[in-house]
Amino acid sequence: SFELTQPLSVSVALGQTARITCEGNNIGSKNVHWYQQKPGQAPVLVIYKDSKRPSGIPERFSASNSGNTATLTISSAQAGDEADYYCQVWDTLTAVFGGGTKLTVL
Amino acid sequence: QITLKESGPTLVKPTQTLTLTCTFSGFSLTTSGGAVGWIRQPPGKALEWLALLYWDGNERYSPSLQSRLTITKATSKNQVVLTMTNLDPVDTATYFCAHRDTTVAGAFDSWGQGILVIVSS
Repeated sequence: SFELTQPLSVSVALGQTARITCEGNNIGSKNVHWYQQKPGQAPVLVIYKDSKRPSGIPERFSASNSGNTATLTISSAQAGDEADYYCQVWDTLTAVFGGGTKLTVL
Repeated sequence: QITLKESGPTLVKPTQTLTLTCTFSGFSLTTSGGAVGWIRQPPGKALEWLALLYWDGNERYSPSLQSRLTITKATSKNQVVLTMTNLDPVDTATYFCAHRDTTVAGAFDSWGQGILVIVSS
C-alpha cells in the first residue's frame, strides 16, 4: 500500500518561513492535498492539487510537489498557524493520509 | 455553503456494530463528481480514511477495514450512513464525514465537526 511520510514536528520562529515535507514513492505523479487541523477542530483544506489554495486561505500558504517529495510552505508564520498538518493523496481509488506534522510557532 | 454533521452513539461495547449518520446540506449526492467520505482519528493520532460513497452509488473502502465497513445512502437523500461491525477498543476515535469533489481534484473540501466514539465495556 502507498505510504506518506511526514516529520513528526517542525518549529518556526514567528514571522519566518516553515516548510513541511510529505514523502512518498513518485508522489510527484499524484495530486497532493494539505489539511490544517487545530486542537479539537476538524481538518481544514489549505492546499489542493499540489499548489492551489481554496478561497479564504491566505497567500502565505503555498506548496509544491515533485519527484518523491511534496512540500507545504508557510511564509511569515503566525501564532495562529500553529496546528497539525496532514498531506493526502489518492492511490488506486483509496485515500491515503500522511502521519501528520505538528507545527510549533516560537 | 456546504455543511456536514455526524450523529450516532458515543459509547459502544466491544463486538457491537456502530452505525453513524452524516447529514449534509449545500450539495446533492446525485450531482456528478460529488462524494461523501468517512475519516477517523484515534485520540492523539493521525487521520485514517475509511470509506467513500460516490454520487453514482459506487463505494470505496480502506483495504484494511473493508470487511467491517458498509457505506450507504440513507432514505433521505441528504444522509450517508457508515456501518462498522465487530467494534474493538482500538476503534475508539473521532469519526468525521467530509465532502469530496472533483472540482478540487478529489480533496475533502468540507468536513463535519466529528463525533467521538468510545468503545468500552
